[in-house]
Amino acid sequence: EPEVTQTPSHQVTQMGQEVILRCVPISNHLYFYWYRQILGQKVEFLVSFYNNEISEKSEIFDDQFSVERPDGSNFTLKIRSTKLEDSAMYFCASSSTRMDSPLHFGNGTRLTVT
Amino acid sequence: GNSVTQMEGPVTLSEEAFLTINCTYTATGYPSLFWYVQYPGEGLQLLLKATKADDKGSNKGFEATYRKETTSFHLEKGSVQVSDSAVYFCALSDQRGGADGLTFGKGTHLIIQP
Repeated sequence: EPEVTQTPSHQVTQMGQEVILRCVPISNHLYFYWYRQILGQKVEFLVSFYNNEISEKSEIFDDQFSVERPDGSNFTLKIRSTKLEDSAMYFCASSSTRMDSPLHFGNGTRLTVT
Repeated sequence: GNSVTQMEGPVTLSEEAFLTINCTYTATGYPSLFWYVQYPGEGLQLLLKATKADDKGSNKGFEATYRKETTSFHLEKGSVQVSDSAVYFCALSDQRGGADGLTFGKGTHLIIQP
């Protein structure tokens, strides 16, 4: 069964550094998402992406965050200047349609900011 | 705004016990409801869903019924197995209300002992 893949599985970075988290969604899916889960807390919606543009973003997704689909297969999340509170598990997801279709999640990237 | 509340864990049961994990929601629109499961070291996987009131979602012996009158979507299984040990997330999607992202509960860690 096709799956969403994320790399790396674990990223350690120093505060203030830029990080790029990578995702390869399922190939025929059209909607792409990033979620994050701070340890012990809820899974939180960050951003959704469709037709090469952001369709919705949460309050968490501020100017430090950006997303891109650079080559038609990868879907990346960039954090420009990481903060300690960005430490979390970041999940990429994709779906075939917007309405009621299930999201397929990747295994996540654990980001640790020191 | 939308929110999901689910029972705090961890929930520890013996094999073959009956399982209930409570979930209630608040939504402004007409949400679809989901249960996702996260096995150790893996991403979130859709377990079951219901898209309208009185629908029952079922999969792998798990069931949940969309109860609009009590705004609930409790997860049940008649006889749990050790392999059911995982974190279970209740979620809603309010796409008809205009929101792209899923709203998750905090997750309930289920531990099944042999």
